[in-house]
Amino acid sequence: GENVEQHPSTLSVQEGDSAVIKCTYSDSASNYFPWYKQELGKRPQLIIDIRSNVGEKKDQRIAVTLNKTAKHFSLHITETQPEDSAVYFCAAGDYKLSFGAGTTVTVRA
Amino acid sequence: ETGVTQTPRHLVMGMTNKKSLKCEQHLGHNAMYWYKQSAKKPLELMFVYNFKEQTENNSVPSRFSPECPNSSHLFLHLHTLQPEDSALYLCASSQGGRETQYFGPGTRLLVL
Repeated sequence: GENVEQHPSTLSVQEGDSAVIKCTYSDSASNYFPWYKQELGKRPQLIIDIRSNVGEKKDQRIAVTLNKTAKHFSLHITETQPEDSAVYFCAAGDYKLSFGAGTTVTVRA
Repeated sequence: ETGVTQTPRHLVMGMTNKKSLKCEQHLGHNAMYWYKQSAKKPLELMFVYNFKEQTENNSVPSRFSPECPNSSHLFLHLHTLQPEDSALYLCASSQGGRETQYFGPGTRLLVL
């Protein structure tokens, strides 16, 4: 089955700086790569996703890049704000998703 | 509340109890999922239903029994659980098996 590894497990950044989270996956058949944000006590919410026919996607301050050859994808958050503090999960798969263990992001004011 | 709802939000049960978790989606989706979320661990997929048919059972112990009577409702029946089953149980739905999954708020389960 698919195995997704996510790094780092925790990330502390100064407000206004950028944050980068990286994930690797093992199954070359995976073609869908979503990123979820989960605030404390709340449900995971999709923030951005990318499919294997695209190398990069951007939505305002959030961008995701995908390298199919190397089997890794990354989340980039620019100009971080305190409300970006949360746990971020990457996932990879097709109809069945495997999730990374999560990255706890703390944005220092 | 719209989207995906789950009840109850919190549940405490003894190891000999039988209880059920309920999930309902108001999005017109045809695929539904159960996940288990434990501290410091990745989300674990438990079951997948597509058009009411179970398409995935991720080696889940038989003390967890899913039921999907229609595309909008999903249940997880629990019996003789163990303390290590304590976790947040999340339901999700999607339009087809390869589309974005939308999560419910989860049921926080504590097994004593």
